[in-house]
Amino acid sequence: DVKVTQSSRYLVKRTGEKVFLECVQDMDHENMFWYRQDPGLGLRLIYFSYDVKMKEKGDIPEGYSVSREKKERFSLILESASTNQTSMYLCASSLDRPYQAHHEQFFGPGTRLTVL
Amino acid sequence: RKEVEQDPGPFNVPEGATVAFNCTYSNSASQSFFWYRQDCRKEPKLLMSVYSSGNEDGRFTAQLNRASQYISLLIRDSKLSDSATYLCVVNLNDMRFGAGTRLTVKP
Repeated sequence: DVKVTQSSRYLVKRTGEKVFLECVQDMDHENMFWYRQDPGLGLRLIYFSYDVKMKEKGDIPEGYSVSREKKERFSLILESASTNQTSMYLCASSLDRPYQAHHEQFFGPGTRLTVL
Repeated sequence: RKEVEQDPGPFNVPEGATVAFNCTYSNSASQSFFWYRQDCRKEPKLLMSVYSSGNEDGRFTAQLNRASQYISLLIRDSKLSDSATYLCVVNLNDMRFGAGTRLTVKP
């Protein structure tokens, strides 16, 4: 059973703080993803990684960075948190690449981040 | 125009009802299609893939219409436990998620 865990379910930070969101998966998946989910907008891809030390920008990378030092761990960093980064953050992992027909992503429980 | 569009609902239906959701997508080159289910305050989980010929999984039927660029999900004999948000997902080189359609099944 695939398990994706995220370090916090709820987080409250102040504007300008540096924020770290951690994600760990236990299925030896090569591919990991960070999304944010906002009402009416669906999930939007922030960054993804297909291998250790590899990262690619998604649709909305501005204000974020990522780190993939180990295969099982993918961290999202908000360099200087702003109020418009208040959102639900979801991490996912997958065995296959997205362009493969039977691609399935397994999600963590999410971190609800509030920036005051 | 959004890449993947869904009616947000909510759809409120009685137990036992049949309910259908549609989803339209803008990129005709999209290659694979899925429905994910997201329970309240939980993460999305894959419900079913959508194949060109249409496919069924128990009470759930998914169909794809490439010419009109829409996919559908039909739920027969609705159960209380079907209450959730259903996300339409379209895949080209990455996954594009709709904002979801919320379903509430009432006793």
